[in-house]
Amino acid sequence: QKEVEQDPGPLSVPEGAIVSLNCTYSNSAFQYFMWYRQYSRKGPELLMYTYSSGNKEDGRFTAQVDKSSKYISLFIRDSQPSDSATYLCAMRQGAQKLVFGQGTRLTINP
Amino acid sequence: GAVVSQHPSWVICKSGTSVKIECRSLDFQATTMFWYRQFPKQSLMLMATSNEGSKATYEQGVEKDKFLINHASLTLSTLTVTSAHPEDSSFYICSARQGLFTDTQYFGPGTRLTVL
Repeated sequence: QKEVEQDPGPLSVPEGAIVSLNCTYSNSAFQYFMWYRQYSRKGPELLMYTYSSGNKEDGRFTAQVDKSSKYISLFIRDSQPSDSATYLCAMRQGAQKLVFGQGTRLTINP
Repeated sequence: GAVVSQHPSWVICKSGTSVKIECRSLDFQATTMFWYRQFPKQSLMLMATSNEGSKATYEQGVEKDKFLINHASLTLSTLTVTSAHPEDSSFYICSARQGLFTDTQYFGPGTRLTVL
């Protein structure tokens, strides 16, 4: 079993829809949770960074962490074609290395 | 925001030659830098972690003598692929982190290496 599980998709939704991306994990010691967006042939770009459980909102993006369920989510409201990319969840314990999910390929159709 | 650059963005080389890739943190000092490899449609695979002034720590299965990492300053790390072969062709991405615990990692734009 992988430490971090993420559905690779692909996920295709119409423009304006609310997108929900999720990851589950097995290591209860993970403390820091991140979502990265990666466009084709580019490096990952940090979207959201949260510590411990709770919600964090930034514009159209909301990140949720539920440590009791070992489950994190990223919501994208009013999705745009420019949101089409691969979304990677990542998490780590203390100063240890980041552990990534497989990435979900998302396409927003105009 | 924090910016990490990589150079070159794309390189083609002949089999048997060595290639050096630079990674720079432009607006912050990076205590730790990371090198990843990514194959098409796959997630990032950590190759090694380096702290400024000390030897890199390589992940299991990564050849230290083939992938030489130098972290000479708080803003510069280099990855040298020695005696490159076609199977080394990949997308290499560096990442930098300022602190240890609470700081996030910022990624460079990546370098596409093609070995002929």
